[in-house]
Amino acid sequence: DQQVKQNSPSLSVQEGRISILNCDYTNSMFDYFLWYKKYPAEGPTFLISISSIKDKNEDGRFTVFLNKSAKHLSLHIVPSQPGDSAVYFCAARGGLFGNEKLTFGTGTRLTIIP
Amino acid sequence: NAGVTQTPKFRVLKTGQSMTLLCAQDMNHEYMYWYRQDPGMGLRLIHYSVGEGTTAKGEVPDGYNVSRLKKQNFLLGLESAAPSQTSVYFCASKIQTNYGYTFGSGTRLTVV
Repeated sequence: DQQVKQNSPSLSVQEGRISILNCDYTNSMFDYFLWYKKYPAEGPTFLISISSIKDKNEDGRFTVFLNKSAKHLSLHIVPSQPGDSAVYFCAARGGLFGNEKLTFGTGTRLTIIP
Repeated sequence: NAGVTQTPKFRVLKTGQSMTLLCAQDMNHEYMYWYRQDPGMGLRLIHYSVGEGTTAKGEVPDGYNVSRLKKQNFLLGLESAAPSQTSVYFCASKIQTNYGYTFGSGTRLTVV
């Protein structure tokens, strides 16, 4: 039972264009959402996050949008750069207070074409 | 400041052998987690700990045991390794008031 889904295993985008990565979730009790970026042979690193009470959060070239009614979030990267080529995981926070944990999606491999 | 350090980085085990993966963090984080990453499956939670001396099961705990005797260390044990446990294992930690995790660089384990 995959509570967090990333339906696109891979995505290729031209350098300078917009990259849009999508994520869907099923558990309406998730209260915080995060995106992580992972390079080969490294651990995931935090990229950007959004609270469930907001619908948009922006940090430089990265913007995350949350549509609670559709249980959908997306990560926009603009303009895309070669260094953005990586695997991106979305994650959702759930669990009782003091016992919170992140549930991760399956990841999307983003390739930026020079 | 090393962050989260995982030992070893690579290991090959024979079926039935046992081993312990070590995770050490120097950030005084209360929470620590063990995930495994498999192709097409993303990161799945094995076990976690919300403080020294506490552990809890995650999504895929079978075949693994953990211990958190010291706040800075979180050990993951495989008592009798199976080929299905071939994976990349990631340890992560966080402070109680934060949302995001700090991850280690991973341990690639192959069971033959």
